[in-house]
Amino acid sequence: DSGVTQTPKHLITATGQRVTLRCSPRSGDLSVYWYQQSLDQGLQFLIQYYNGEERAKGNILERFSAQQFPDLHSELNLSSLELGDSALYFCASSPGTGVYGYTFGSGTRLTVV
Amino acid sequence: GENVEQHPSTLSVQEGDSAVIKCTYSDSASNYFPWYKQELGKGPQLIIDIRSNVGEKKDQRIAVTLNKTAKHFSLHITETQPEDSAVYFCAARSMEYGNKLVFGAGTILRVKS
Repeated sequence: DSGVTQTPKHLITATGQRVTLRCSPRSGDLSVYWYQQSLDQGLQFLIQYYNGEERAKGNILERFSAQQFPDLHSELNLSSLELGDSALYFCASSPGTGVYGYTFGSGTRLTVV
Repeated sequence: GENVEQHPSTLSVQEGDSAVIKCTYSDSASNYFPWYKQELGKGPQLIIDIRSNVGEKKDQRIAVTLNKTAKHFSLHITETQPEDSAVYFCAARSMEYGNKLVFGAGTILRVKS
């Protein structure tokens, strides 16, 4: 167990629907990162939060949004889902915004049908 | 922004042989280079990292070397074992705001016994 908790582990939903993925960072970590992993795209950075504030944004679609709550857990909201959104979504955490490695969760596998 | 290229995409070695995975990065200001191992159904796990003020780092059978002038770094695994079979990702810290890691596309390592 890495200490980063992601729920749910699997999610199957229909096109056009909206889902919420949840992440609890490792105890003491203030930064949360979201990555998308698909077969042909590798690990793609979506967004980073630090202590409740957005810090960096990657190739995140406008249909996607995220937030980090006062208890530091984070949620990634995916709406108007398309078949191409099917992927593994990983959350990672680190102590801060300095030079740190990440601790990854085990991911949420999203299947859009 | 930072770009990381990783080679080879697949690597097969005989048990006991060495394996080398190479990565190049584009931003000469990058200062942190971690390596992650991802086993089937799990999230990436940090196995070793190196900072830009160090040329080499070892941890038992794993070593990483960094050539800042050439902007490339490599993972070396000696005396490979079947349990080393996994996908390996290199990453470089982006010097954009935050602590974003940019990942290579991954290398599938197969250790044949």
